[in-house]
Amino acid sequence: GDSVTQMEGPVTLSEEAFLTINCTYTATGYPSLFWYVQYPGEGLQLLLKATKADDKGSNKGFEATYRKETTSFHLEKGSVQVSDSAVYFCALSAPSTGGYQKVTFGTGTKLQVIP
Amino acid sequence: DADVTQTPRNRITKTGKRIMLECSQTKGHDRMYWYRQDPGLGLRLIYYSFDVKDINKGEISDGYSVSRQAQAKFSLSLESAIPNQTALYFCATSDFSRAGANVLTFGAGSRLTVL
Repeated sequence: GDSVTQMEGPVTLSEEAFLTINCTYTATGYPSLFWYVQYPGEGLQLLLKATKADDKGSNKGFEATYRKETTSFHLEKGSVQVSDSAVYFCALSAPSTGGYQKVTFGTGTKLQVIP
Repeated sequence: DADVTQTPRNRITKTGKRIMLECSQTKGHDRMYWYRQDPGLGLRLIYYSFDVKDINKGEISDGYSVSRQAQAKFSLSLESAIPNQTALYFCATSDFSRAGANVLTFGAGSRLTVL
């Protein structure tokens, strides 16, 4: 079945450091890829997405590029802020039985940014 | 008001009690989902519903039941709660037909503790 593997956390960075959170996936066909963010005490919210190979999703200074050849969708940000402290989930959606686009999540990576 | 509202936000109960978690949405989405989040396991799908008359089991439905009372309301029940059902529960919605990829909108979560 489909699966998403992301780097284990927690990741601790100083403010203004460069961030990379690795994500690789296994899926049949051509999935759509997502990064969701969960701030403390809140639900997940969509951060960015990419729906086909070589697409780059971007939002709030975060970027991720859909790499089909390496089945990866790594999240990057050039300069993190304390307000970026959260848990980040990589996810994919792909067709399953009955035409339903099943969403599969990674286990989440906790990011802590210190001043 | 939030697009997806979950009640209660926190609940402590005892083994064997019946518990209902409720979810309502103002997004107008036809699809609704219940997920469970456990540390280190990411999010796992319990049940999903495409419309009022279409309810489907997810990957971990044992011990749970659901009711779709209206397009905007989807409730999750634990008929006889047990301690390993202690978790954070999320309701989510999506409008796949418009998005082209299954983008989920989440509620803020319901934290359930079973003693």
